[in-house]
Formats: sequence, structure tokens, C-alpha cells
Amino acid sequence: NAGVTQTPKFQVLKTGQSMTLQCAQDMNHEYMSWYRQDPGMGLRLIHYSVGAGITDQGEVPNGYNVSRSTTEDFPLRLLSAAPSQTSVYFCASSSFGRGDPSYEQYFGPGTRLTVT
Amino acid sequence: GNSVTQMEGPVTLSEEAFLTINCTYTATGYPSLFWYVQYPGEGLQLLLKATKADDKGSNKGFEATYRKETTSFHLEKGSVQVSDSAVYFCALTFQGGSEKLVFGKGTKLTVNP
Repeated sequence: NAGVTQTPKFQVLKTGQSMTLQCAQDMNHEYMSWYRQDPGMGLRLIHYSVGAGITDQGEVPNGYNVSRSTTEDFPLRLLSAAPSQTSVYFCASSSFGRGDPSYEQYFGPGTRLTVT
Repeated sequence: GNSVTQMEGPVTLSEEAFLTINCTYTATGYPSLFWYVQYPGEGLQLLLKATKADDKGSNKGFEATYRKETTSFHLEKGSVQVSDSAVYFCALTFQGGSEKLVFGKGTKLTVNP
């Protein structure tokens, strides 16, 4: 198993440009999520999905869109990049934990995004 | 709301020193508690977990005990190694449909030889 994969590893954008961060998992996990990591802020949840066709907002959703057309893939779209979106982005997945609070989330290696 | 507070770092120790990283939480109900570790240049990985009061999670020489009375989940290791240098995150989540992890801000640990 490759686990959770993310592409690209690094990206530089100009303000106003759009792009999609890719995330894929091969563990047949129902739950997938996107976090951003900023210095001194820990990880903050952007969007999440509990299964194909179902997405919901997290703590900091503004400026980001997601969709979940398959179980494996959960892309994150930046429609018009802003310098405030400079961050490291992590995708994570887990088996659906309903009724079982001990599930583990598996994280991808991250995408470092700089918006100038 | 639900939140996690960790001791602020960075923490610098010599090899074989004792480590404690404090973590307290605020939550309605009974969360599950986790410690995740992030090694340089990598994503997060689960270090240990506890799902109910008085449970002790342990892994790789690290331990943490779920203390409901003090709402705490402090991470400890008796003798740290250089390879333990990383950022450590305390986190919580709830059963019953909410799989969202709430993270603390992270504590950077550097262990010197």
C-alpha cells in the first residue's frame, strides 16, 4: 500500500492564480480530510468528507473548495490564491470511526504552498 | 467549544533526559485522546492513544495517561534519544459521528547528543 499520497510536494503561485492539490489513498478509507499547518497554529481542518459525494466544512474553509467523486481521491482547489494561503497542506484519511473513537488518521507527506 | 492546550516549546534536552510535554483539554463529553508526532519533512503519524479515563497509551518508550479529573494527557518518556527530535501534537476527537481531530499547537522537541 502507498497509503496517502499528495502532489505536488512544493508549489509557488502568484496571487489570483488557481490550482488543485491532489490527495489519494489506497486503504479504502471512508473519511478524508484536509488540514493546513501554520507556525504556532497547529493543524486546522479545512474540509472533510465522510464518503464519496459527501463533503463538509471544517474550521477554516474560506477560499477552498473540495469534491469527492471517488473513495480514493479528495482534491483541494484554490480558486484564487492569496498570500494568506501560504502554508503546508496535509491530507489525511481514516476508516469511518462512527461508534469507534479509537480510529487512527493517516497523513500524507504534505504540500508546501507559497503564494506571492 | 472543544480545544487542546499544549505546553509551548521549543523544548531542548540532552540525550537520556526525562521528557514531559503537558497537554490539557476542554471538551463536552468524553473524547478520545491522541499524541501525533511529526518528524522533520514528514507528515504526522500516530504515536499513541487512549479512549477512556485512566487508559494509558504507550509506544516507542512514550507514555500518556488519560486523566479525566484533571482533563490532561501528558506525554512522558524516561530517556530521550536524538532520534526523538520532532514536533509533538496532542489531539482529541469524539465518538458518535464526529471524526474531526482537534489539535494542539504542537511542541517542538530537540534532543542533543
